[in-house]
Amino acid sequence: SQKIEQNSEALNIQEGKTATLTCNYTNYSPAYLQWYRQDPGRGPVFLLLIRENEKEKRKERLKVTFDTTLKQSLFHITASQPADSATYLCALVRGSQGNLIFGKGTKLSVKP
Amino acid sequence: NAGVTQTPKFQVLKTGQSMTLQCAQDMNHEYMSWYRQDPGMGLRLIHYSVGAGITDQGEVPNGYNVSRSTTEDFPLRLLSAAPSQTSVYFCASRGPGGTSGNTIYFGEGSWLTVV
Repeated sequence: SQKIEQNSEALNIQEGKTATLTCNYTNYSPAYLQWYRQDPGRGPVFLLLIRENEKEKRKERLKVTFDTTLKQSLFHITASQPADSATYLCALVRGSQGNLIFGKGTKLSVKP
Repeated sequence: NAGVTQTPKFQVLKTGQSMTLQCAQDMNHEYMSWYRQDPGMGLRLIHYSVGAGITDQGEVPNGYNVSRSTTEDFPLRLLSAAPSQTSVYFCASRGPGGTSGNTIYFGEGSWLTVV
């Protein structure tokens, strides 16, 4: 069956460093992948989408890569700030209706 | 622009009771869906709809019903609540353009406890 895994439940880093989160998937070849941010007690918020023919996508301090050979996406936050502390979810599209399947998320904590 | 609105925010039910979680969006989106989020399980798709009058099952549909009589509303019904349905429920809608990767917008969630 299709599986999507975010390899760390939690990641702690120091302010100013680059946070790197990993998303791996198996038994699947998605047309695109998305990353979401979720704060405690809130719904997920869309951050970035990257398509299978794109190697890299950037938005301000965020960068996403997509390696379809490795079946892996990396999500980077450069110059991290305490306000970046949240849970980050990756999601893949499945099926003709475009439903998303989500990883379990990585909880990022940025310490001042 | 309210986006996706869910009610109620919090609800406690007794086993066997029924209830409806309401979801409304004001963005004229055709696609809407319901997810549940449990610790250690991530978000799992319950039901979805690609337009008024059209619904389909997701990954974990048992114990839930949906209907889509209008584009704006997509209620989720729990027929006979069970403790296993204690969870946080999120409604979501997707922007136009079909499945080509458009943004999904989530509501703020409904916390349901079944005792």
